[in-house]
Amino acid sequence: QQQVKQSPQSLIVQKGGIPIINCAYENTAFDYFPWYQQFPGKGPALLIAIRPDVSEKKEGRFTISFNKSAKQFSLHIMDSQPGDSATYFCAAKSDDYKLSFGAGTTVTVRA
Amino acid sequence: EPEVTQTPSHQVTQMGQEVILRCVPISNHLYFYWYRQILGQKVEFLVSFYNNEISEKSEIFDDQFSVERPDGSNFTLKIRSTKLEDSAMYFCASSYVHEQYFGPGTRLTVT
Repeated sequence: QQQVKQSPQSLIVQKGGIPIINCAYENTAFDYFPWYQQFPGKGPALLIAIRPDVSEKKEGRFTISFNKSAKQFSLHIMDSQPGDSATYFCAAKSDDYKLSFGAGTTVTVRA
Repeated sequence: EPEVTQTPSHQVTQMGQEVILRCVPISNHLYFYWYRQILGQKVEFLVSFYNNEISEKSEIFDDQFSVERPDGSNFTLKIRSTKLEDSAMYFCASSYVHEQYFGPGTRLTVT
C-alpha cells in the first residue's frame, strides 16, 4: 500500500530555476510532513517540515506548500544551485511516529 | 551539533549468518527507529522503539529481526539469519518528538 505518492521521479533544471516536487497522501491521520534531502551514500537529512494547520512554510530557499483539502503538498527550491543536486523524499507521519516515505525525486541542477 | 552515529559503515556477511548493526542516537531523544533502503528505492520503516519496548513494527520486521537498547546510549538491530534480500542500507533514526534525524547508515551486503 503506497501511502505517499511522489512525482516526478526525476527532474533537471538550470541554475537559478525552481524545481517543484509534488506529493499526495491518502491517510487523513497523517499530522506531520517532512522533506528529506539525500546525497549518494549518505543518510536522509531533514530539510524542512510542515504541520497540516499551515498552508506554507519557508526556510531559506526551501518552501513547502500544503493543501489539506486536496491532500497534497509540494517542495519548491528557489534559486536552485548545483549543490542542491540530490534525491528528495517527502514523508508523512501519523500518531504511531513511523514515517511513510515517497519514492523520491532525483533533482539535477545544471550550472 | 548532535548527530546520530552508526557502526559499521559497511558490513559484508554470508547468508545465514547473524549480524548486529549499532547506532548511537542523539542523547536526549526519546524515540528510536530503524529504516532500510534497498539500492535505488525508497526508505522503508522497520521498527520504532520507545520506553524500552517496540512501539510499532512493519511487515518486514519478522522474527529474524530484533532490536535492543542494551545501555543508555546504544541502539542495536540484530538479524539472526541473513538472507540475500536483506542486502540494503540500514538507517537508524531518533527523535525527541516529531523531527526524526537519520544516521549515515550501514551498508549490509549478504553474499
